[in-house]
Amino acid sequence: TQLLEQSPQFLSIQEGENLTVYCNSSSVFSSLQWYRQEPGEGPVLLVTVVTGGEVKKLKRLTFQFGDARKDSSLHITAAQPGDTGLYLCAGQGAQKLVFGQGTRLTINP
Amino acid sequence: KAGVTQTPRYLIKTRGQQVTLSCSPISGHRSVSWYQQTPGQGLQFLFEYFSETQRNKGNFPGRFSGRQFSNSRSEMNVSTLELGDSALYLCASSLDWTSPEQYFGPGTRLTVT
Repeated sequence: TQLLEQSPQFLSIQEGENLTVYCNSSSVFSSLQWYRQEPGEGPVLLVTVVTGGEVKKLKRLTFQFGDARKDSSLHITAAQPGDTGLYLCAGQGAQKLVFGQGTRLTINP
Repeated sequence: KAGVTQTPRYLIKTRGQQVTLSCSPISGHRSVSWYQQTPGQGLQFLFEYFSETQRNKGNFPGRFSGRQFSNSRSEMNVSTLELGDSALYLCASSLDWTSPEQYFGPGTRLTVT
């Protein structure tokens, strides 16, 4: 069974601080996605990483796929209250998308 | 382009009843997947449909079933509802079964009393 573990599960920081969320597995994934979900809504796709070692930037968000395609990280620079939400990583397994438990991020003004 | 739509958005049912949820994918998307989201278990895969055929199924009991129509719209059905079925049910569409990117609808919040 392929599993993805996210850490931390909860993170509350002040506006302007930097943070990193981790997504780890013992399994190899052909691709990995990051989503953000806000209350009462479905997850919204942020990025897909495919190649081991790949780094993608989306404004203040930097996503990295591990060299072995088993792990990923999301780094946010100068966090803003609008970044608040549930961040989910999801790996493309043999036949289905496997989700981590999520990181609930709160940015305090 | 319109996003994924799900109806109804909220539903309250009694134990033992059955329920049908509906999902309309993004125009041109032919693959539809269903997920159950709960605070304790997170997002869990239910099943995936492509071209009216179930391609993959998660580890849920047979009370959970689904289907896809020729226009790619999909429905899922839960029979003999249990309290533990209370959850947010999310539908996601993608271009086809090989596309890793999934686009989610807002979900249907099901409460079983």
